[in-house]
Amino acid sequence: QKEVEQDPGPLSVPEGAIVSLNCTYSNSAFQYFMWYRQYSRKGPELLMYTYSSGNKEDGRFTAQVDKSSKYISLFIRDSQPSDSATYLCAMRGSGYSTLTFGKGTMLLVSP
Amino acid sequence: GAVVSQHPSRVICKSGTSVKIECRSLDFQATTMFWYRQFPKQSLMLMATSNEGSKATYEQGVEKDKFLINHASLTLSTLTVTSAHPEDSSFYICSAESGTGANTEAFFGQGTRLTVV
Repeated sequence: QKEVEQDPGPLSVPEGAIVSLNCTYSNSAFQYFMWYRQYSRKGPELLMYTYSSGNKEDGRFTAQVDKSSKYISLFIRDSQPSDSATYLCAMRGSGYSTLTFGKGTMLLVSP
Repeated sequence: GAVVSQHPSRVICKSGTSVKIECRSLDFQATTMFWYRQFPKQSLMLMATSNEGSKATYEQGVEKDKFLINHASLTLSTLTVTSAHPEDSSFYICSAESGTGANTEAFFGQGTRLTVV
């Protein structure tokens, strides 16, 4: 079993839809969780960063962490065509510097 | 957020030549930088951890003699792909971390698309 599992998609939604992206993980040592957005042929861009269970909201984005279930989610409200990208979850344990990434989910938002 | 600049964004080289990729943290100092490789539709694979003033730490399976890493200052790390071959063609991305403890965040460069012909 891989440490971080993420459905590669593609996930296709119409403009305005609510998008739910998810990752599961197996390493209970992971304490810090991130979501990155990566446009084609560009470096990843940090979207959300959280280190506690619960929800964190930033504009149209909400990150949710459930450490008991080892499950994290990213919700995008009122999705826009410009949200079309690959979304990578990443996580690491306390005291470690290296990140473990999911494979990324490709999101396609059609106008 | 913090800015990490990577250069060049694209490079095409002939088989057997060497290519150097630079990664700079523009508005913060980074004692540690990371180099990743990404194949199409795949996730980021960590190649090595670059430590300022000391040798890089390579992940298992990464040839240290082929992928030379130099971290000469707190704002610059370089990756040199030596004697490049077509199978080295890939997207290379660097990252640097800013902050401490729970406030540590990783920021990425724009990536370098290497094509070896």
